Amino acid sequence: GQNIDQPTEMTATEGAIVQINCTYQTSGFNGLFWYQQHAGEAPTFLSYNVLDGLEEKGRFSSFLSRSKGYSYLLLKELQMKDSASYLCAVNYGGATNKLIFGTGTLLAVQP
Amino acid sequence: DGGITQSPKYLFRKEGQNVTLSCEQNLNHDAMYWYRQDPGQGLRLIYYSQIVNDFQKGDIAEGYSVSREKKESFPLTVTSAQKNPTAFYLCASSIGPGNSPTGTEAFFGQGTRLTVV
Repeated sequence: GQNIDQPTEMTATEGAIVQINCTYQTSGFNGLFWYQQHAGEAPTFLSYNVLDGLEEKGRFSSFLSRSKGYSYLLLKELQMKDSASYLCAVNYGGATNKLIFGTGTLLAVQP
Repeated sequence: DGGITQSPKYLFRKEGQNVTLSCEQNLNHDAMYWYRQDPGQGLRLIYYSQIVNDFQKGDIAEGYSVSREKKESFPLTVTSAQKNPTAFYLCASSIGPGNSPTGTEAFFGQGTRLTVV
């Protein structure tokens, strides 16, 4: 079967750095995505990794190790508006682009 | 502006009734998806379609039906056979298979919150 694990909740302080981890076991792998979702809203795309290494995009970075089935999302200079759920998703479906999502990590940024 | 639109945002249904959720996209995407989101759970795939007039069951298709008569539209019907339909439903689209990996990200609609009363 397919499985993705993320911590359920995390708390961090405004201005700090936080790392959200994701581990996965899937039958195939076409890439890993990170999405941000505010309560009651649609997920919005943050980053994509298909090769090992770090992808940096402004305050957000994402890392992938395919051999370990592991990724993390790094958020720097945290702002209050970063309080949201962060979803890790893996494209495992080969030609069908099927995505499996983790349960999400609810991040609370405190003053 | 290009995007993906779901309607309505909130929907109430009586037990035993079928209800249809709308999803329209003007992104010219081939692939469209329906997900269900429940508290404490990740998004679960209900149905997906890679091309017009073709669709496949996802992981939790029982009690749901879809159609894909037009590229832009992928409506989801929640039937009375769905035992626990109260949830947040998300529609998504993507360019589709066979394109560059960076094109496979899914774009989501704003969601429809369905409540059975």
